[in-house]
Parts: sequence; structure tokens; C-alpha cells
Amino acid sequence: GNSVTQMEGPVTLSEEAFLTINCTYTATGYPSLFWYVQYPGEGLQLLLKATKADDKGSNKGFEATYRKETTSFHLEKGSVQVSDSAVYFCALTPTGTASKLTFGTGTRLQVTL
Amino acid sequence: SQTIHQWPATLVQPVGSPLSLECTVEGTSNPNLYWYRQAAGRGLQLLFYSVGIGQISSEVPQNLSASRPQDRQFILSSKKLLLSDSGFYLCAWTVSSTDTQYFGPGTRLTVL
Repeated sequence: GNSVTQMEGPVTLSEEAFLTINCTYTATGYPSLFWYVQYPGEGLQLLLKATKADDKGSNKGFEATYRKETTSFHLEKGSVQVSDSAVYFCALTPTGTASKLTFGTGTRLQVTL
Repeated sequence: SQTIHQWPATLVQPVGSPLSLECTVEGTSNPNLYWYRQAAGRGLQLLFYSVGIGQISSEVPQNLSASRPQDRQFILSSKKLLLSDSGFYLCAWTVSSTDTQYFGPGTRLTVL
């Protein structure tokens, strides 16, 4: 079956530090890959996505590259801010499955001054 | 623009009581609709999805059910809640099977 594995949190960083949150997946075919962010007490917001191998998704300074050879979609940001504190979810949806998302367990990021 | 509404925002219910959570989407037609649950300390799990009125697919066997009485309305129900039904319930939509899903604000359910 399909699965997504994320690094366990929480991840605690100082403001302006470099962020990497690892994500690897297992799926047949060519899934689309996503990063969603959940701020405290809120629903999920799409952060970025990539739909084919070697695509790079980017938004708000965050980036992730679809690496089919390593089945990975690691999230990176060069300089985090306190406002980036949230839970980050990696997810995939296989093609032709009515966009049913399979999520990782989420990684909590805490950024301090 | 499209918006998605969920209510109530929070709910505290006793074990054995019924449940009805509602989700509506505005600004689009014939969306695919989804219910997810996020249990404490765990990831999100797809519960139900619907590609049209009256068409419901269940992903996880449980004491929950879903209905889609109108094109842009998706309802999650239970006849008798269990403690394990506590969690954060999220509704989502897309306009086709290839589109990104967009999530509502969620309903936090506590079963006591």
C-alpha cells in the first residue's frame, strides 16, 4: 500500500536557522506529493506540491524537490521565522484515485528567538 | 473564490450520543469531498470520500457514516459515539481527481 514516513519531531530551531524536514514515501506509479502546514488550532493549508519527478515545489521560502530515485520529498527553508512554528505534514496522492491523500504523521516545528 | 465551511468548531459529547458534523463548499460545482480525522498525536486518516451526490466511499470500517444530500454538502454522522471517536475532523474538497485538496477549519470533537 501507499505510505509516507516523516522524521519525528518536535524540531526546535532558533530564528534564521536552516530547516530540513525529511519525508520519504512508498507508492506505486507516479504519485503527486504535497506539504501541508497546520498552525495551532487551525485546519490544514497547502504549502507546496510537486506532481512529477524532479519538480521543485516552492512557497513562502519553503522548497521541496520530488526525488523519485530516493522516493523522497524533503522540506527545506533557508531561514526560519517564529511565525513558521506549526505542524508540517507530508502527503501523497496516487494518480487516478480521486485525490485520496495519504499523510505522514506530521512534524512539529518550534522556532524560538 | 471558493470557500469551505465546517460546523460546529468544537463539540463535547457523551459516549453513546449521536453525532452530526456538517461541511459545505461555496463557489464551485460538483466537487470531490472528503472527511479526515486527526487523532491526538497521530496523523490524518481518510474516513470517507464522495465524487457526487449520494456517492460515498468508506476507507475505514467504524461506527461513523457519511452522506451527501446536496452537491456541496457533506455530513459525517454517528448513531452512538465511542471514546475513540475523539479527534479533529477535517473536511476537504477538490474540483477533480487531479486537483489539490483544500481543507476546512475543522471540528474538534471530544467524547467523554
